[in-house]
Amino acid sequence: EVHLVESGGGLVQPGGSLRLSCVASGSTFSFHWMHWVRQAPGKGLVWVSRISSDGNIKTYADAVKGRFTISRDNAKTTLYLQMDSLRAEDTAVYYCARDNGDPLGAFDIWGRGTMVTVSS
Amino acid sequence: EFVLTQSPGTLSLSPGERATLSCRASQSISSSDLAWYQQKPGQSPRLLISGASRRATGIPDRFSGSGSGTDFTLTISRLEPDDFAVYYCQLYGSSPLFGQGTKLEIK
Repeated sequence: EVHLVESGGGLVQPGGSLRLSCVASGSTFSFHWMHWVRQAPGKGLVWVSRISSDGNIKTYADAVKGRFTISRDNAKTTLYLQMDSLRAEDTAVYYCARDNGDPLGAFDIWGRGTMVTVSS
Repeated sequence: EFVLTQSPGTLSLSPGERATLSCRASQSISSSDLAWYQQKPGQSPRLLISGASRRATGIPDRFSGSGSGTDFTLTISRLEPDDFAVYYCQLYGSSPLFGQGTKLEIK
């Protein structure tokens, strides 16, 4: 059974940076596109970014384009999200999720999330 | 701007009743790109339905999805206490997008 475990969240000042990680168990990580989805406190789900299985194709939501960078290391079965120029509105739980499509489909496995708080 | 609108915002029902949740797209979409998720407080979302009507692994058959074009429905045939949660529809594929959610609460 595949599991995803996020880490790297915390409290950061506006304008600061954080790097989130998502470690996947199991041997199929390199076959799947991966996503980051966030959820502000008491709010709904918002898609943030995705990366192709080989890491060559990256897509971002307009709200984070130019500030966030998604990447992956298939040898380490790890997904990353580098977040720069953070704003208060980036405060949220950040989930990594696996895409079950060929190549794009629904998000069939989710991590438990890591909380990012942007505040002075 | 493409939007998924879920209704109602909150649905109050009793265990054993039937729940019908709606998801309306602002433009016609392929039913193959529509999913439903369940999220309980403090938990991550769980995939219920993909391709508008295909149950994910391990999802009970009391959950069913239907619809096409702009109107999609998640039906829970006989509510169990564990089903009370927030439900999101999602357009996946080239531009992933979630609806705002429907909270299913115990009446």
